[in-house]
Amino acid sequence: GENVEQHPSTLSVQEGDSAVIKCTYSDSASNYFPWYKQELGKGPQLIIDIRSNVGEKKDQRIAVTLNKTAKHFSLHITETQPEDSAVYFCAGSDSGTYKYIFGTGTRLKVLA
Amino acid sequence: SQTIHQWPATLVQPVGSPLSLECTVEGTSNPNLYWYRQAAGRGLQLLFYSVGIGQISSEVPQNLSASRPQDRQFILSSKKLLLSDSGFYLCAWSLISYEQYFGPGTRLTVT
Repeated sequence: GENVEQHPSTLSVQEGDSAVIKCTYSDSASNYFPWYKQELGKGPQLIIDIRSNVGEKKDQRIAVTLNKTAKHFSLHITETQPEDSAVYFCAGSDSGTYKYIFGTGTRLKVLA
Repeated sequence: SQTIHQWPATLVQPVGSPLSLECTVEGTSNPNLYWYRQAAGRGLQLLFYSVGIGQISSEVPQNLSASRPQDRQFILSSKKLLLSDSGFYLCAWSLISYEQYFGPGTRLTVT
């Protein structure tokens, strides 16, 4: 089955700098990779996703890149703001099912 | 638009007491439904998922059970709570397009 590893577990950046969170996956048949942002005490919010037929996707300050050969994908946040501070989770689809395998999360702190 | 509800928002229960958490989805039909648990400061553990009424798949053997009595209703239950059942319980839904959307969660504390 799928296994997803996420790094780093914590990340501190200065406001205005960029942040990058990386995930690797094991199942080459996985074809969908979402990213979630979870604020304290709330449910995770889907912020961006990418499918295996695409190498990069952008939405304003957020972008995701996918390298199928190396089986890794990354979340890029540019011009970080204090409200970007949260825990971010990556996930990979478990091929043949509607389940996700989640990474262990990255706590991002944006320092003002 | 679709909306997902969970209740209660918080719950404090003694060890050995029963549990019932409810999740409902509005604005869609025949969704896949999921129950996750998140321990404090940890990741998301899939507990159950359902692709239709009465169809429940269990991911982790434990002290919990799930039921789906109606198309857009998903219930998480326990007959006797353990201390280890404490956590943040999240319900999610998806359609065949893969995107999963989470509810606001229920924080359960077993004392």
